[in-house]
Amino acid sequence: DGGITQSPKYLFRKEGQNVTLSCEQNLNHDAMYWYRQDPGQGLRLIYYSQIVNDFQKGDIAEGYSVSREKKESFPLTVTSAQKNPTAFYLCASSIGEDEQYFGPGTRLTVT
Amino acid sequence: SQQGEEDPQALSIQEGENATMNCSYKTSINNLQWYRQNSGRGLVHLILIRSNEREKHSGRLRVTLDTSKKSSSLLITASRAADTASYFCATIGVYGNNRLAFGKGNQVVVIP
Repeated sequence: DGGITQSPKYLFRKEGQNVTLSCEQNLNHDAMYWYRQDPGQGLRLIYYSQIVNDFQKGDIAEGYSVSREKKESFPLTVTSAQKNPTAFYLCASSIGEDEQYFGPGTRLTVT
Repeated sequence: SQQGEEDPQALSIQEGENATMNCSYKTSINNLQWYRQNSGRGLVHLILIRSNEREKHSGRLRVTLDTSKKSSSLLITASRAADTASYFCATIGVYGNNRLAFGKGNQVVVIP
């Protein structure tokens, strides 16, 4: 099956801890994206990568970091510097500016 | 970055009725896309309309685009209970580097 996977589905962390969210795709897409969604809100872009070993900040990159060492993987680290990390995180991939394929999301709760 | 804005934000209709949602945006675009999200799930792409297109159909979905008014509408005909979801429009700007700018979404409830 071709698709995009995120793990875990639910994640709980204590304040002050870094946490890494996984995103893997086997669609052979060059571009990958990380979004944050807060309740009742649309998606806001955190980071995106158009090619391996390259990535750019989105609109709300502060307190987050990413890497793109392999085409199929784009992990997101939520650092302790992110002031309000509790949210629903969505990963997506695409070919150019065509439709984006989304993973099922990771719900992160930090207490 | 530009933002799509949907209107209305919440819609409740009877099964079989049509549902219409509108979206406006601020700058020139390459394309506009509509997505559906079921509660707590990822987004699913519904339809993409390019800036040189005015109308597009896919099954029970009809999307229009008016670039002079910077607006789009999504019509779902003969709605079903399974259409209950949030619907988002998103745009790729002319200088967007493939970045999608999302609106806040419309919540649609279809009552059986």
